[in-house]
Order: sequence, then C-alpha cells, then structure tokens
Amino acid sequence: SQTIHQWPATLVQPVGSPLSLECTVEGTSNPNLYWYRQAAGRGLQLLFYSVGIGQISSEVPQNLSASRPQDRQFILSSKKLLLSDSGFYLCAWSVRGRVDEQYFGPGTRLTVT
Amino acid sequence: AQSVTQLGSHVSVSEGALVLLRCNYSSSVPPYLFWYVQYPNQGLQLLLKYTSAATLVKGINGFEAEFKKSETSFHLTKPSAHMSDAAEYFCAVSRGGSNYKLTFGKGTLLTVNP
Repeated sequence: SQTIHQWPATLVQPVGSPLSLECTVEGTSNPNLYWYRQAAGRGLQLLFYSVGIGQISSEVPQNLSASRPQDRQFILSSKKLLLSDSGFYLCAWSVRGRVDEQYFGPGTRLTVT
Repeated sequence: AQSVTQLGSHVSVSEGALVLLRCNYSSSVPPYLFWYVQYPNQGLQLLLKYTSAATLVKGINGFEAEFKKSETSFHLTKPSAHMSDAAEYFCAVSRGGSNYKLTFGKGTLLTVNP
C-alpha cells in the first residue's frame, strides 16, 4: 500500500531563518506531487505541483520554492521566512496521468516567530 | 477556471440528526468533484468522489453526495450524525483532462452536539 510521510510534524522558526520541509511517498512510482498551505479560515492554497523529477510548477510566487530531487521526494524551502509563512503545510500525491483524488500526508505545523 | 463555494463555514447538529453540508461549483467543463474530511492537526482524507458516473455517490462513514448539474451542486449528506463526525469538510473540483490540480472550498466545520 502507498504511504506518504512528512517531517517535521511541528516547527517553530524565527523570522529570516531558512526552511526545509520534506515529503516522501512510498509504494507508488511516478506520482504527481503537491504542496499546499492551510491557514485558518482560508481553505487550502496550492503552492507547487510536480509531474516529474525536476519539473515544478509554481502557483504562488513568493519567498517559497520547491524541488523534486527524486521521483518520490518533494521538498519545500525558503531562504528567509516571513511571519506570513506560518501555517499548516500539507503534501499530497496523485496517480500520474490520471485526474483523480489526491492523497494527503499528515502535515507540518509551522510557526514563524 | 473552476471554483467551489461552500455555504456555511460552521454547521452544528445534534447527534442523530441529518447532516447537510453544501457545495456549489463553477466549471466550464464537466467537473470531477470530491469531498474530503480533516480531523484536527491531521491531513485530509477522501470521503467520496464524482467522476461522471452515477450522480448519487456513496462514500465512507455513511456519507453520500448527489451531483446536480442543473443546480451546479454537490451537497454532502449523512442521515444520522455521530460524535465522531465532528471535523472540517472540504469540497473540491477538478477540471479533468490533463489538469491535475484540485480547487478546494474554504471548508465547513461540523460540530456534533450530544
């Protein structure tokens, strides 16, 4: 069966510090991968998605970036965090080549102080 | 572009009562529609999906939803609420084809009172 992992589960970082959140998927190959941010009362905001290694599409061009160094690994990064980057970050995957449901990881709670 | 509107950010029901969570979509092409549930501090879990087959879709935990094209709606229902149904519910739409993105509504928080 497929599983998706995210770490860390929680993170408290000062303004201006760097960020690296990691997501890995097991039990499937060539997935589509997604990063979302969830802020209270605002639903889910799609940040990035990827259909293959090194292929990243950005939906929100701010101070965040994403990379996909391996087929089942998706990394969300920032060089300098802002207060507004606080939120709940969710990684998800879906089957390549199909429009179908997305499967979500457990999330990372980021607090920028 | 597709969009989703969830009517009511907070719905409160008594245990055993009918649950009705409303979702209206906007899409220029036949949509794929989804309902997800999120428990506190967890990821989202798929409840059910509509992908142009039967208009009445049954999902997990006794939930179902009906696709009504004339009303552009995909409301989620459950005949009898349980305490364990308390969570946030999200409706989502995908355009289909080669568009792999989902557009989510802002969510409805369901409270179940004893």
